Amino acid sequence: AQSVSQHNHHVILSEAASLELGCNYSYGGTVNLFWYVQYPGQHLQLLLKYFSGDPLVKGIKGFEAEFIKSKFSFNLRKPSVQWSDTAEYFCAVNARNYGGSQGNLIFGKGTKLSVKP
Amino acid sequence: DTAVSQTPKYLVTQMGNDKSIKCEQNLGHDTMYWYKQDSKKFLKIMFSYNNKELIINETVPNRFSPKSPDKAHLNLHINSLELGDSAVYFCASSQAGQETQYFGPGTRLLVL
Repeated sequence: AQSVSQHNHHVILSEAASLELGCNYSYGGTVNLFWYVQYPGQHLQLLLKYFSGDPLVKGIKGFEAEFIKSKFSFNLRKPSVQWSDTAEYFCAVNARNYGGSQGNLIFGKGTKLSVKP
Repeated sequence: DTAVSQTPKYLVTQMGNDKSIKCEQNLGHDTMYWYKQDSKKFLKIMFSYNNKELIINETVPNRFSPKSPDKAHLNLHINSLELGDSAVYFCASSQAGQETQYFGPGTRLLVL
């Protein structure tokens, strides 16, 4: 079965530190890839997405992610985190052809990021 | 204006009760979804509707029934609530051919 793995459950950083959150998926077909962020007590917001083209995608708030097809990975990065980046980060994959489903987003279990001021 | 809205925001109820959660989107999207986020923050798809037709239905108990009066609304009705139903339920919507889903603020359900 297809799945999405986020390697880090909880990441704690100081402000200005660099961030990289890992995401790997298992699916051999065409995929769309997403990173969503959930700030405390809030709903999910789209950070960035990859459908095709340049595998390095830039999102909001200085985040970027790189799709490496050979590694089935879509890691999220930010050069310098801020206290306001404290949130839960979810990687998600849309496998449109899987089981005939459309728009079926499979989420990873999330990575909690805590940024110390 | 809120793109995807849900009501209520919080819902506290007793076991065995029947409750509904409403979702509305004003984005003109033709597909809507319900997700359940458990206590460990794990998000899982429950249902989606496309043009008033159920197109995916993951293995959720039949106590859960989605109802879509029109393509802007997808309500979730839950019968005979159980303790394990306590979670945050998120509604989302997307436009066919554009796979980005937009999420509502969530409904925090607590079953006592």
